[in-house]
Amino acid sequence: SQQGEEDPQALSIQEGENATMNCSYKTSINNLQWYRQNSGRGLVHLILIRSNEREKHSGRLRVTLDTSKKSSSLLITASRAADTASYFCAYPPLFGNEKLTFGTGTRLTIIP
Amino acid sequence: DTGVSQDPRHKITKRGQNVTFRCDPISEHNRLYWYRQTLGQGPEFLTYFQNEAQLEKSRLLSDRFSAERPKGSFSTLEIQRTEQGDSAMYLCASSSPRTLQRDSYEQYFGPGTRLTVT
Repeated sequence: SQQGEEDPQALSIQEGENATMNCSYKTSINNLQWYRQNSGRGLVHLILIRSNEREKHSGRLRVTLDTSKKSSSLLITASRAADTASYFCAYPPLFGNEKLTFGTGTRLTIIP
Repeated sequence: DTGVSQDPRHKITKRGQNVTFRCDPISEHNRLYWYRQTLGQGPEFLTYFQNEAQLEKSRLLSDRFSAERPKGSFSTLEIQRTEQGDSAMYLCASSSPRTLQRDSYEQYFGPGTRLTVT
């Protein structure tokens, strides 16, 4: 069963606005990853943040991680129509192989 | 194109039939994963290979499911006696091994095989 929850389930914003989505998880982790999925390109890795990091940036993406609250957030700034997709947080177990546990996803729609 | 490829992209089958999917990972990746994704949900782990060895199987993988990676390159996932509940997107992913410099790598996903069981 999935152990990550994302909030909101769906989000619609105007192009140019910022989009924030949140992820909560239940176990200890050593890193958390965000993926994007759309019909054109499938599931694509966006960014990885390690448990000893609190914030990470990549282009228009900003990810935060709060291990005490077992939560992470993904901020997309200056949204574009091409950002329309589903966004998932995912994390591997502390030990063993790196199978990913995915959240339930946030469906983001950018309105032109 | 050097990404992960999957074949077929779509499969429609009747209940009770067997189906087989293929995944070709990125060539230098020794780790290969299968996931299943149903509508509106995130992917769920099915099984994992390191080279040709199948090291972990999820409880989701019933006896009707079998996966192989015979030469440590491509992998196949077979579902026997398909049921309507097997309808889903089956995703394959690959990744590089951990090193002393990197303890975790992102996974690269293929486009998936969408299975519809009628």
